[in-house]
Amino acid sequence: EAQVTQNPRYLITVTGKKLTVTCSQNMNHEYMSWYRQDPGLGLRQIYYSMNVEVTDKGDVPEGYKVSRKEKRNFPLILESPSPNQTSLYFCASSFGQGWFSGYTFGSGTRLTVV
Amino acid sequence: KNEVEQSPQNLTAQEGEFITINCSYSVGISALHWLQQHPGGGIVSLFMLSSGKKKHGRLIATINIQEKHSSLHITASHPRDSAVYICAVSLTDKLIFGTGTRLQVFP
Repeated sequence: EAQVTQNPRYLITVTGKKLTVTCSQNMNHEYMSWYRQDPGLGLRQIYYSMNVEVTDKGDVPEGYKVSRKEKRNFPLILESPSPNQTSLYFCASSFGQGWFSGYTFGSGTRLTVV
Repeated sequence: KNEVEQSPQNLTAQEGEFITINCSYSVGISALHWLQQHPGGGIVSLFMLSSGKKKHGRLIATINIQEKHSSLHITASHPRDSAVYICAVSLTDKLIFGTGTRLQVFP
């Protein structure tokens, strides 16, 4: 089944404790991206990757890191989480950004930083 | 002003009613997407449009590029259609999202 797999689904952590949210897709998609969703603000892009070893900042990159060493994986790293990073996170992938590319979303990761 | 505006923010309907959700955008786009988010949180892509109209079952999506406007219609609405519907536009390097329309359909 074609899918984007995110783990974990739920995570409660303490301020400053490094964490990684994993994202993997099995569709050979080139484009992958991370979003956070907050009440009243909607979904906002954190980072995106056009292909292996090619990543760039989105609208809200502060406090996050990403890497794209393999085509299928695009982990989101919070080196020192803070309470303002409490949010619902989504990973998504597509064949390419732009004209004919539909998106597949992961199931989401609900992160709470206390 | 948000680059993608949706209306209404909240919508309630009786089962069987015809539903329309609107999306206006202010930037040049390569495509427009309609997404559905159920209470469990997962997001599903319903349509991707670059022109005209698309239909899938009871759902119809239209786009007017000149007016920078899109509509999502649900015919014969059903309680299982209750969800948040999100409009998103594709730019060169990213998606920009509207804040969503929360739809509740009552039996």
